[in-house]
Amino acid sequence: ELKVEQNPLFLSMQEGKNYTIYCNYSTTSDRLYWYRQDPGKSLESLFVLLSNGAVKQEGRLMASLDTKARLSTLHITAAVHDLSATYFCAVGGAGSYQLTFGKGTKLSVIP
Amino acid sequence: EAGVAQSPRYKIIEKRQSVAFWCNPISGHATLYWYQQILGQGPKLLIQFQNNGVVDDSQLPKDRFSAERLKGVDSTLKIQPAKLEDSAVYLCASSPKSSGYNEQFFGPGTRLTVL
Repeated sequence: ELKVEQNPLFLSMQEGKNYTIYCNYSTTSDRLYWYRQDPGKSLESLFVLLSNGAVKQEGRLMASLDTKARLSTLHITAAVHDLSATYFCAVGGAGSYQLTFGKGTKLSVIP
Repeated sequence: EAGVAQSPRYKIIEKRQSVAFWCNPISGHATLYWYQQILGQGPKLLIQFQNNGVVDDSQLPKDRFSAERLKGVDSTLKIQPAKLEDSAVYLCASSPKSSGYNEQFFGPGTRLTVL
């Protein structure tokens, strides 16, 4: 059974600071997603990572994937208040359409 | 391009009552998913349809939950009878069959409160 673990689950950080969210998964996977969810809203796709060493960047967010370590990171550079949200990683099982989500990291960026 | 539509957005019922949710996926998307998201957790897949056939319903509590996608487009998810622990947000997502990596697009969800 595929298990996905995110940490930290809660993150409070000051504007302008950098931080990293980690996503570990337990079995072989061929794809990993990062989603953002604002309170009361649905999930918004941020990144899709498909291969070992994949790195994607959008604004102040950068995601990377290490399939050998079964680890993905979401790095936040010079955080701003607008980045406050819950971030989920979701892992696709090899050969399956199913996605298994982590519990999410609730990020609060404080002025 | 219109996104995934869901209704109602909110529903409050008493335990043992029945409830149904509706989802209209993005036009042309062959695959449709229903997820349950309990407060403070990540979404959990309940059922996956490919066109009008069920691909995976292994995590659907079939004694009380049912879902259908009769014409391969819209879908309904029903709970009968509801229990307190069914309080959650029910998310519908769809993905295009042609997508090599099966990116899923989520609807706004239906927030269910069971009293």
